[in-house]
Amino acid sequence: QSALTQPASVSGSPGQSITISCTGTSSDVGGYNYVSWYQQHPGKAPKLMIYDVSNRPSGVPDRFSGSKSGNTASLTISGLQAEDEADYYCSSYTSSSTLVVFGGGTKLTVL
Amino acid sequence: EVQLVESGGGLVQPGGSLRLSCAASGFTFSSYWMHWVRQAPGKGLVWVSRIKSDGRSTSYADSVKGRFTISRDNAKNTLYLQMNSLRAEDTAVYYCARVPSTWYDYWGQGTLVTVSS
Repeated sequence: QSALTQPASVSGSPGQSITISCTGTSSDVGGYNYVSWYQQHPGKAPKLMIYDVSNRPSGVPDRFSGSKSGNTASLTISGLQAEDEADYYCSSYTSSSTLVVFGGGTKLTVL
Repeated sequence: EVQLVESGGGLVQPGGSLRLSCAASGFTFSSYWMHWVRQAPGKGLVWVSRIKSDGRSTSYADSVKGRFTISRDNAKNTLYLQMNSLRAEDTAVYYCARVPSTWYDYWGQGTLVTVSS
């Protein structure tokens, strides 16, 4: 199945806010409140940042927030810090047989 | 502390086989679904396979169906991925991940599989 659509790259300056979008269909993002976001630094494993659209696991700074409108989910990072520079992936439950689909990933650059 | 440690990756020729392992600790392994997710060099995350907590239900991506087999040994707290008939396009870092519900809360560090002659 097709991956969820994310912008290839976004950038922002320290202290600013950025938003990464994740667009799917009514069969995945739009149909369920089961979107999660992962941060991946080069050479490292992904790390869970947001689950079930807008919930933060323990230990994730509240600078990270998630939302959803229709078939598009969003990850917002406020007060950008240098250590936020990483790749970010969205994922959603899907009604297809795979039950899970990922976005293509977004490279965040902190200027 | 939850830990997932993959092993078994390496260089293999096209058509060859490998068995990946994922050793789990720090949690009740037998209570969780487990998945394998892979990432080709410079590419994004792709779901590969999953297995139910008791091992009685499995599922595979179309790209690996019939070639890969997921299994687990709850007595040894270990997840496996038997990979046969490997192709160049299977080259990737393979991650095991724990699934408490509809998200991945812990990932292993990954093991690199390179399929090349």
